[in-house]
Formats: sequence, C-alpha cells, structure tokens
Amino acid sequence: GENVEQHPSTLSVQEGDSAVIKCTYSDSASNYFPWYKQELGKGPQLIIDIRSNVGEKKDQRIAVTLNKTAKHFSLHITETQPEDSAVYFCAASTSSGDDKIIFGKGTRLHILP
Amino acid sequence: IAGITQAPTSQILAAGRRMTLRCTQDMRHNAMYWYRQDLGLGLRLIHYSNTAGTTGKGEVPDGYSVSRANTDDFPLTLASAVPSQTSVYFCASSEGAGSNTQYFGPGTRLTVL
Repeated sequence: GENVEQHPSTLSVQEGDSAVIKCTYSDSASNYFPWYKQELGKGPQLIIDIRSNVGEKKDQRIAVTLNKTAKHFSLHITETQPEDSAVYFCAASTSSGDDKIIFGKGTRLHILP
Repeated sequence: IAGITQAPTSQILAAGRRMTLRCTQDMRHNAMYWYRQDLGLGLRLIHYSNTAGTTGKGEVPDGYSVSRANTDDFPLTLASAVPSQTSVYFCASSEGAGSNTQYFGPGTRLTVL
C-alpha cells in the first residue's frame, strides 16, 4: 500500500522568510497530492493540491512542486506570516474508484517574530 | 451551509462503555471517512464509506464499527471503549468517484479512562 513520509516534523522560520516541507510517497500509481493546514483545535483544511499531470502549482504565497520520477513533492510558503503557524499535512491518493488518501505524519510550523 | 458537524465536541468515557460519535454533512457528498489523530502519528483512517449503504475498513478498524444508512450521516461506534482509543476523531467527506478532495469536521476529543 501507499506510504507517505513527511519532513521535517518541526520547522521554525523567521517571519518573512520562506518555509519548505517535503514529502515522499511509495506508490507510483498515486496521482493526487493535497496539502492540509490544521490550526489548533480545528480540523484539517485543504490549502492547495496538485495532480500528476503538472509539475508545479502556485496560489499567492503558497506553491507545491511535484517530481513523479523521484516520487516526492514539496510545499513552499514564501513571505511567512504569524498566521501561517500551524500543522501541515501532505497526502497522496490514487483515482482508483474511491477517494482514500494516505497522510504524512505532519509538520509543525512555527513562525518566529 | 454548515458543512460537516461532529458531536460531541469532547467526551470523557469509562473503559468498557459504549460510545457513538456522530457525524453529519449537508453537502450531499457520496463518500465519508473517520480518522483518528494521535500525536506523532498523523491522521489514520478507521473506516470509510464510498456511498450510502456501503462501508469499508481503513488502516486501524479494530474496536470500531460504522454504518451508513443515508447520505448525510456516518456514526462511529466504540462497542467497548479501551484507553488506547483515547484520541481526537475527525470525520471527513468528499464528493466521491475520483474527486479526491476531502473536507473535515471540527473533531471530537475522546478520553477513555
């Protein structure tokens, strides 16, 4: 089955700097890679996703890159702000008739003032 | 539109007791999921349902059961709670049939003593 590894588990960056979170996956059939943000006391919320037919997707300060050959994908947050402090989860899924997705173990991002 | 609601918000339960966690969505999504979230382990799938009337086992199904009598509701039952089931439980839903994007509820914090 699919296995998703996520690094680092904790990341501290100075406000205004960039943050990068990296994930690898094992199942070459995976073709959908969402990223979720979880704020304290809340459920995860989708912030960006990418499908296997593109290598990069950007939404304002957030971007995701995908390397299918190497089976890894990354989340990039530029010009970080205090509200970016949260736990971020990557995930991988295949379009196999159901929508089960496998999550990484999460990265706790701290934005330092 | 409320999206996904979960009840209760939190619960303290004696070991051996039966407990049902409730989940309701108003988006007419076909697929629904139950996850548990434990520190350092990320989100792990307990059970899922691709459509009303069907259910399936996830990664950690033991000690839990689900039913899907209609589109909107997907209750999770612990027949005889044990301390290792202390966790935060999240319900999620998706349109289904390859849409992949999952929407999460606010979670239920369960403590089994």
